[in-house]
Amino acid sequence: EVQLLESGGGLGQPGGSLRLSCSASGFTFSNYAMTWVRQAPGKGLEWVSDISVSGRSTYYANSVKGRFTVSRDNSKNTLYLQMNSLRADDTAVYYCAKVNSVVYFCDSWGQGTLVTVSS
Amino acid sequence: NFMLTQPHSVSESPGKTVTISCTRSTGSIASTYVQWYQQRPGSAPTTVIYEVSQRPSGVPDRFSGSVDSSSNSASLTISGLMTEDEADYYCQSFDSSNHNWVFGGGTKVTVL
Repeated sequence: EVQLLESGGGLGQPGGSLRLSCSASGFTFSNYAMTWVRQAPGKGLEWVSDISVSGRSTYYANSVKGRFTVSRDNSKNTLYLQMNSLRADDTAVYYCAKVNSVVYFCDSWGQGTLVTVSS
Repeated sequence: NFMLTQPHSVSESPGKTVTISCTRSTGSIASTYVQWYQQRPGSAPTTVIYEVSQRPSGVPDRFSGSVDSSSNSASLTISGLMTEDEADYYCQSFDSSNHNWVFGGGTKVTVL
């Protein structure tokens, strides 16, 4: 059974940093692209970033480009999202998801971690 | 860039059928696959339809997907509505021209 467990959420200061992690199990992590999707309180889903199998290719939504960095450690079955220059509108639940990269959709989702940006 | 537009909400009685539309703003709806995600209150999303009309294992056949080129829309149909179907539903596609994942705004399904 695929399991994705996010961690690292919490309260971040405007202009500050947070690092999210997503621990994967139940599948061969190194064979799949991964993605981060967020959901602001009471709002819809927004794609944030995704990363290729090797980690060499990374992609970002315009809203986070230049501030967030996605990475992965295939030896640890873990996906990361480094979030810098945080803004209030980054406040959201952040989900990691396993990607079907033939069609580009999320075939398994984690339970999410809440990031709140406030002073 | 294109957008996907969904109705804000739909409601129907148990046992009835509801259809949610997802209209693509520019370009052909048939040019890329459409997926549908279900998000029950307080829970993470799950995939109910992928590649327009495919159901992941465990999703009941009451859920079906289709595309209508004449309206440039994809649709999710839920038949035999059950109270457990009450949730937000999101359509999603992928814009390969700029590697952008596109989500619809979501539709709240209420089972009266």
